[in-house]
Amino acid sequence: NAGVTQTPKFQVLKTGQSMTLQCAQDMNHNSMYWYRQDPGMGLRLIYYSASEGTTDKGEVPNGYNVSRLNKREFSLRLESAAPSQTSVYFCASSDQISNSPLHFGNGTRLTVT
Amino acid sequence: SQQGEEDPQALSIQEGENATMNCSYKTSINNLQWYRQNSGRGLVHLILIRSNEREKHSGRLRVTLDTSKKSSSLLITASRAADTASYFCATVFNNDMRFGAGTRLTVKP
Repeated sequence: NAGVTQTPKFQVLKTGQSMTLQCAQDMNHNSMYWYRQDPGMGLRLIYYSASEGTTDKGEVPNGYNVSRLNKREFSLRLESAAPSQTSVYFCASSDQISNSPLHFGNGTRLTVT
Repeated sequence: SQQGEEDPQALSIQEGENATMNCSYKTSINNLQWYRQNSGRGLVHLILIRSNEREKHSGRLRVTLDTSKKSSSLLITASRAADTASYFCATVFNNDMRFGAGTRLTVKP
């Protein structure tokens, strides 16, 4: 039972490059999320998808776009990477938004030089 | 901005002792959740406590919630070296979930 799978695990980008972080869940969850984690800051929500076909901005959406490809997959795109986007990115899913626990992937460690 | 704030930021105890971590928040909540994160891994859900509940238990974990004081605590009893991790509280109100910066717990064997 894989749970939430994120790819890649590590990535180094140069400023201005683009990339897409992939996330897939096999728990038939309705809601999916993208967070970033920076030292001393806890997790901050970038975007979320309450259900298939919907996406909404979170606390720190600037510089990112998302696609809820289907019920299983939720991708995060950086169109023009900046050093401030150096972080660890976590994808999560839950059965329902707000009232269910989140299940997290193991993260993507992104460095932008 | 963060909603929950954990206290202390770091805690070091001996194996077998109890560990208590606190979380304070500022606004209304629907529920409050506690998560554990081992180094280099994703967060793992521990307990969800709803705003109309005062206490919940799960194995060696006990969570209390005092909505009048806008605070919650996580107690880990009889701690083990494997409990070494960061612990985060997350407050949920409507569709907004906010995490605190976490408490780093070290349990020495």
